[in-house]
Amino acid sequence: QSVLTQPPSASGTPGQRVTVSCSGSSSNIGSNTVNWYQQFPGTAPKLLIYSDNRRPSGVPDRFSGSKSGTSASLAISGLQSDDEADYHCAAWDDGLNVRVFGGGTKLTVL
Amino acid sequence: QVQMVQSGAEVKKPGSSVKVSCKVSGDTFSSYTINWVRQAPGQGLEWMGRIIPILGVTNYAQTFQDRGTITADKSTGTAYMDLTSLRSEDTAVYYCAAFKGALDYWGQGTLVTVSS
Repeated sequence: QSVLTQPPSASGTPGQRVTVSCSGSSSNIGSNTVNWYQQFPGTAPKLLIYSDNRRPSGVPDRFSGSKSGTSASLAISGLQSDDEADYHCAAWDDGLNVRVFGGGTKLTVL
Repeated sequence: QVQMVQSGAEVKKPGSSVKVSCKVSGDTFSSYTINWVRQAPGQGLEWMGRIIPILGVTNYAQTFQDRGTITADKSTGTAYMDLTSLRSEDTAVYYCAAFKGALDYWGQGTLVTVSS
């Protein structure tokens, strides 16, 4: 059971905008920044969004992050077939003193 | 750009131990916090613990407190994760991830298979 809650799956058609949610608590998302990762099968996670809404160099601006209270969201606009992957959220948890992850969301491009 | 290269896949018997290495290059090793994260087949990511090499300070998730040890060799820029008393549930891909500020960089992963 993951500390952060994500929907197990999401889907969209090419060109569409999709969002992936990540729900936590006051001890993690509510008091620390959120990172998002993109992971293709058989490969390591890649940092997609850091500090809630910032993109590392090289990440297209189609990807955006937001946070409100104890929940965060990843939005992907202009969906492409290459975006089909697993997406994970993460934050530090002050109560547990550990880094916590969501269970991951499998995005399917229809 | 920092690069993380991990040691190769391992097959271990239940009850044995495994030590996975992670060599950091391309930047100052001591400026990073090295984290270890694992992913069991078909599952999500699980944080195991971390080390701050410049301080030698570690902290662990409770699940790994008794069986896991994370160390770092500043002279070679290499971090290690040692897991003892292996059981079948420890079968997973183990990743090292270097954190610097809010950014992080991941190794390619090391598959550890625990099987009799």
